[in-house]
Amino acid sequence: ETGVTQSPTHLIKTRGQQVTLRCSSQSGHNTVSWYQQALGQGPQFIFQYYREEENGRGNFPPRFSGLQFPNYSSELNVNALELDDSALYLCASRKQEQNTEAFFGQGTRLTVV
Amino acid sequence: GESVGLHLPTLSVQEGDNSIINCAYSNSASDYFIWYKQESGKGPQFIIDIRSNMDKRQGQRVTVLLNKTVKHLSLQIAATQPGDSAVYFCAENSGTSYGKLTFGQGTILTVHP
Repeated sequence: ETGVTQSPTHLIKTRGQQVTLRCSSQSGHNTVSWYQQALGQGPQFIFQYYREEENGRGNFPPRFSGLQFPNYSSELNVNALELDDSALYLCASRKQEQNTEAFFGQGTRLTVV
Repeated sequence: GESVGLHLPTLSVQEGDNSIINCAYSNSASDYFIWYKQESGKGPQFIIDIRSNMDKRQGQRVTVLLNKTVKHLSLQIAATQPGDSAVYFCAENSGTSYGKLTFGQGTILTVHP
């Protein structure tokens, strides 16, 4: 186990709705990254949070947003859900001061219908 | 992890054989590389990493080779076991944004008893 926990594990939403996914980072880790993994593909970087601010973003539209809290946990929010947003959403944590491996949670499976 | 995608490269081996999984990376500025293993229903699990100032690194039953000239990475698994069956991803990270991992396509490894 990596110590990174995500909730919920599965979620079904309707197109146009909004969703919030949650992530608790591993103890001692101050940076959280979010990834989207479509079926049969590798994870795609969405964004990263450090010191409660976004400090890196991939090629995702503004309707993907996030938060980081003082305890380093994080949320991913997606507005105006589209069918193509159906994917496994992964959270990873690490220490910003070290360029070391990121530890992933088990993911949240989001299905948009 | 994900259900296998029809377009992912596959490698099928017998238990006890050695496995070699290859990956071509894209960014010549990448200076840190990681191999992840992803089992069904789980997030990516760290296997081994290597920095660009090295060309080989060994772990327990695993070896990673890095050829920067041709931007190629390989993962060697010795004495492959059925529990090694999973999807394997290489990921690269450039020094400009330590948190942003760029993942390769993934390879499905199936180990037959």
